[in-house]
Amino acid sequence: NAGVTQTPKFQVLKTGQSMTLQCAQDMNHNSMYWYRQDPGMGLRLIYYSASEGTTDKGEVPNGYNVSRLNKREFSLRLESAAPSQTSVYFCASSPDRGPSYEQYFGPGTRLTVT
Amino acid sequence: QQQVKQSPQSLIVQKGGISIINCAYENTAFDYFPWYQQFPGKGPALLIAIRPDVSEKKEGRFTISFNKSAKQFSLHIMDSQPGDSATYFCAARNPGTASKLTFGTGTRLQVTL
Repeated sequence: NAGVTQTPKFQVLKTGQSMTLQCAQDMNHNSMYWYRQDPGMGLRLIYYSASEGTTDKGEVPNGYNVSRLNKREFSLRLESAAPSQTSVYFCASSPDRGPSYEQYFGPGTRLTVT
Repeated sequence: QQQVKQSPQSLIVQKGGISIINCAYENTAFDYFPWYQQFPGKGPALLIAIRPDVSEKKEGRFTISFNKSAKQFSLHIMDSQPGDSATYFCAARNPGTASKLTFGTGTRLQVTL
């Protein structure tokens, strides 16, 4: 079991460029999430997907779009990158079933926008 | 609007000492309170979690204390070790569709020899 995988690990973009961050999980989890992590701000939810075919906005969705391609894959797209989107991006998945609501995180993508 | 406030921002503890990290929340609908541990260059991983109907949960050297009336919970690391040096995040679950977690801002713990 690979768990949650993310590609790429590192990326440098110029302002205005676009890119897609890929995420896949092999744990048959229903729910998937995209977070960004910035110093002193913790993890902030960008978008989430409760099940295949559904997506919802989180706390900081502006400037991002997502696609839940199938149960395994959940991608995050930056259409026109801005320096404010420089961050570390984490994908997570969860079975979303009690009694544990554990979220399993990927290794992250470090994105720099110049 | 920060719904989960975490303190301190950083903490230095000697080996063998007790590390204590505190969190306070506002939303009384939160129904699950996990702590995540993150090592540099890695994603966060679940350390320990508690539900609001329990006042304390212990797993090895890690204990969560939960005070529902004060809307506060804390992580205690007993006999802290250098290998515990990491960033710790508290979180709270919003009930409803998908397990949405609201995270605190994190505490960077350094355990010195």
